[in-house]
Amino acid sequence: SQQGEEDPQALSIQEGENATMNCSYKTSINNLQWYRQNSGRGLVHLILIRSNEREKHSGRLRVTLDTSKKSSSLLITASRAADTASYFCATGANSKLTFGKGITLSVRP
Amino acid sequence: ETGVTQSPTHLIKTRGQQVTLRCSSQSGHNTVSWYQQALGQGPQFIFQYYREEENGRGNFPPRFSGLQFPNYSSELNVNALELDDSALYLCASSLAPSGGNTGELFFGEGSRLTVL
Repeated sequence: SQQGEEDPQALSIQEGENATMNCSYKTSINNLQWYRQNSGRGLVHLILIRSNEREKHSGRLRVTLDTSKKSSSLLITASRAADTASYFCATGANSKLTFGKGITLSVRP
Repeated sequence: ETGVTQSPTHLIKTRGQQVTLRCSSQSGHNTVSWYQQALGQGPQFIFQYYREEENGRGNFPPRFSGLQFPNYSSELNVNALELDDSALYLCASSLAPSGGNTGELFFGEGSRLTVL
């Protein structure tokens, strides 16, 4: 079963625009992670936010976490064509992660 | 490049056959986790190996089994293949079951299995 549910399922934007992706989850968490996957290849870790954090930044990425609403958002600023990929949120402990179905982001040049 | 390598990259099997997939973890990582990703879905946790012992299992039947070797490389074996086993199988390594300070998993590029 999928713990995280991302929203929207697909997102298409123009290069330079910001992309916002949302994730909701069902049970209490210690942390939430976001991963990226290019064209059905391996996943790449983007960022981890702990349950006692509300916001975290990494380069052009900004992640927020609202534990009261059991939701997180990933913002990619000034998007590039190379950001085209699928994005997944994941929860879990001890490397046993539960992933959502993912969001397909297309960035048009 | 994550330093995690998987083989083979693609393979085709028929129903009822058996398959072995291999994974070499990143140097220094003692924990390997396996995930199954069906088309259009997120990865699903199969099981994890830590110091050569199974350390947790997802909702997969016993015909999915694994091994971890002293050098921390790992194998995933699937017996009596079914059509629904067609998927991308991903191996991920980490510094420890906790994922280390960052909680990060390092994924290989996957083995794409097609069952006919």
